[in-house]
Amino acid sequence: SQTIHQWPATLVQPVGSPLSLECTVEGTSNPNLYWYRQAAGRGLQLLFYSVGIGQISSEVPQNLSASRPQDRQFILSSKKLLLSDSGFYLCAWSVRGFSGSTDTQYFGPGTRLTVL
Amino acid sequence: AQSVTQPDIHITVSEGASLELRCNYSYGATPYLFWYVQSPGQGLQLLLKYFSGDTLVQGIKGFEAEFKRSQSSFNLRKPSVHWSDAAEYFCAVGGNTNAGKSTFGDGTTLTVKP
Repeated sequence: SQTIHQWPATLVQPVGSPLSLECTVEGTSNPNLYWYRQAAGRGLQLLFYSVGIGQISSEVPQNLSASRPQDRQFILSSKKLLLSDSGFYLCAWSVRGFSGSTDTQYFGPGTRLTVL
Repeated sequence: AQSVTQPDIHITVSEGASLELRCNYSYGATPYLFWYVQSPGQGLQLLLKYFSGDTLVQGIKGFEAEFKRSQSSFNLRKPSVHWSDAAEYFCAVGGNTNAGKSTFGDGTTLTVKP
């Protein structure tokens, strides 16, 4: 069966410090991968998605970047965190559809990031 | 551009009562529609999805949803709510040429009174 891992589970970082959040998927190959941010009491904002190794699409301009060094590894980074980067970060994967179609997304447990 | 509106930010129902959560979407082609549930501090879990066929779809935990193209709606229902259903519920829309992406609504928080 497929599983998705995120770490760390919680993180408290000072403003201006770097960030690295990691997401790995097991039990599937060639997945689509996604990073979302969920601010308190808000919906999900898609930050990045990837359809393959080294292929990253950014949905919104921001202080963050993403990389996909391996097929089932997705990393979210920042060189200098801002207060506004605080939130709940969710990684998700989906089966890569034949025609790029949307399918069920499977979410990780999330990382709670607090920037002070 | 595609979008999802969940008009109710917060709903409170008594345990055993029926539930309906509203979802309206905007999508330029045939939509793929999803309902997800999120417990506090957790990731999201799929409840049900609609791609085609029967417009009434059954999901896990006794939930169902009905696709109404004329109303651009995909409302979630449950005949009898349990205390464990208290959570946040998200509606999402995607399509068959969408690079696998979904657009999520802002969510509806469900509180269940004993």
